[in-house]
Formats: sequence, C-alpha cells, structure tokens
Amino acid sequence: EAEVAQSPRYKITEKSQAVAFWCDPISGHATLYWYRQILGQGPELLVQFQDESVVDDSQLPKDRFSAERLKGVDSTLKIQPAELGDSAMYLCASSVGGADSVYEQYFGPGTRLTVT
Amino acid sequence: AQSVTQLGSHVSVSEGALVLLRCNYSSSVPPYLFWYVQYPNQGLQLLLKYTTGATLVKGINGFEAEFKKSETSFHLTKPSAHMSDAAEYFCAVSDRGYQKVTFGTGTKLQVIP
Repeated sequence: EAEVAQSPRYKITEKSQAVAFWCDPISGHATLYWYRQILGQGPELLVQFQDESVVDDSQLPKDRFSAERLKGVDSTLKIQPAELGDSAMYLCASSVGGADSVYEQYFGPGTRLTVT
Repeated sequence: AQSVTQLGSHVSVSEGALVLLRCNYSSSVPPYLFWYVQYPNQGLQLLLKYTTGATLVKGINGFEAEFKKSETSFHLTKPSAHMSDAAEYFCAVSDRGYQKVTFGTGTKLQVIP
C-alpha cells in the first residue's frame, strides 16, 4: 500500500539552529500539505502545494519558515532559526487533488521536533 | 471562516459501551465534514467523510457519523467500544471546492477494560 514518507521521524535541535524536514507524497498525488500540530491541538495548515505551486501559505511564518516542492513531487520544509515555540509534530499529507472536489488526504507519520 | 468545536477533550468509555464523540461545525457554505483518528506518534487516518447525499455516513472500524444541518453537528458514534479504539479523534471541516481542511482540537478516547 502506498504511503506518504517523512524523514526524520524525530529531531532535536537547539534554538537558533536550522532544521529541515522532508516529505515524499504518494505517487501521482498533485496536492501536498504541511501541517503543524502542537501537543494537545489539532493540525494547523502551514502550506499547501498544487504540483509545484503554492496554493495557500497564509499561516506560514515566512520570516523563519520556507517550503519548496521544486519538481512537484517531494517537498522540504525548513525552519531557520528554530525557536522554542516551534516544538511540535510536523505532518505532511497528500491527495489526488483537483478543483471543486474533495479528495481524501493521506498523512505521513510526522516529524516530532523538539527545540531546546 | 470555517471552524469546528469538539466537546470534551477526553472521553472514557468501558469496553463494549457506546462511543459518542461530539462535533459541531461552523461554515458559511454547505460543508464537507470529516473524522480522522490518530494513534500516538503517528499521522492521521480518515475514518469517514460527509460530502453530499445520505446524512448517515459509515466509516472504517465500525464508526459512523450523522450530518445534522439543523444542529450544525457531525457526531461520531460506535455501538461497542474495543480496546483498539483508544486514540485521539479529530473532527474537520472543509469548504466545498477548496481543499483547505480546518481541524478541531481533538478528543482523546480512553477505553476501560
């Protein structure tokens, strides 16, 4: 069964350091999402890609966060510099995508980030 | 703006008892509604979704939910809880025609033997 892959699964970094997360969506899925899930809360959308284009990054803290999906396949989310408040689970999801339709989002296992 | 409210951050039931997890939504347009389950240190898995048509939706693992427009609710139920149902459950809403999904804060379900 096809799955969304994420790495690393766990990351510990010091404040002010740079950190990057990688996501490989299910093959053929045009839409890719990055979510941040703070402990005890639901996932919050950070950025949504349709192929290689950003569809929604309204909640992405652009002064420190960046995301790219250069060839419309895998994606990288970067934080520089990391802050204590960035400690959270970072989830990647993908869907077949398309306008005016609702497709199931398939989630990866997430990356647990701890900033010390 | 769309939002969901999940009533009760923690719910405990006995094994074999009815599971009822509550969700109310707010949306300016007819919504799409979802329930996801999350096991510790894992991603989310879709249990069921409502888009159009029948208001009673059946999902995986014996769960079902009923869309009630008059009550703006989409409560999740299961007739008989199993130990394996212990997890966190998230209700979510999406505007039609747009893929952005807004999640609730989650309800942790504990199943007592």
